[in-house]
Amino acid sequence: GAVVSQHPSRVICKSGTSVKIECRSLDFQATTMFWYRQFPKQSLMLMATSNEGSKATYEQGVEKDKFLINHASLTLSTLTVTSAHPEDSSFYICSAPEGQKNTEAFFGQGTRLTVV
Amino acid sequence: GDSVTQMEGPVTLSEEAFLTINCTYTATGYPSLFWYVQYPGEGLQLLLKATKADDKGSNKGFEATYRKETTSFHLEKGSVQVSDSAVYFCALSGGGYNKLIFGAGTRLAVHP
Repeated sequence: GAVVSQHPSRVICKSGTSVKIECRSLDFQATTMFWYRQFPKQSLMLMATSNEGSKATYEQGVEKDKFLINHASLTLSTLTVTSAHPEDSSFYICSAPEGQKNTEAFFGQGTRLTVV
Repeated sequence: GDSVTQMEGPVTLSEEAFLTINCTYTATGYPSLFWYVQYPGEGLQLLLKATKADDKGSNKGFEATYRKETTSFHLEKGSVQVSDSAVYFCALSGGGYNKLIFGAGTRLAVHP
């Protein structure tokens, strides 16, 4: 199947700093990517839909200024956690569908963010 | 809105035991249904899927049948292995751009 690569896999940062997470589709183009957040022992919650060439669509309750999403090309979406706080510590994972009509979403490996 | 309900875990089984993880859904229209597996420290991998009623998805000995009448998509495996230990997520998609809605996940632990 298609490959989605997410980087970094783990990051530790200090409170108040910003962290950028990259999500790349390696062998296909993705006009849309999704960003999820997973709390320990809980399910994945959709944060936002990243749209190539336009603004991201955020789910209710997700702070747009806190979680900046940029989808600069057909193969790359980035999530930047700004002014990170310990409560932002979580597992972040992206996914990308291969083509508009394909019903399968391919997931990145995920990023474990720890804010200290 | 659309939602997915999974049986709570953890589920602990001995090797070669039969596995069932229940999943029911609420959705408008005719969603596609998925089972994803997450091994420790890794992202999600698609295990199997079904796109219409009565479809049976299968992979690696796992099976699930799309039951529209009971709005269910239960995951089964006849003989589990230690390597099947993971968290299993049931999910649905309303189509289009694959905006997935996940269940809470069920942790499976298989011991020798």
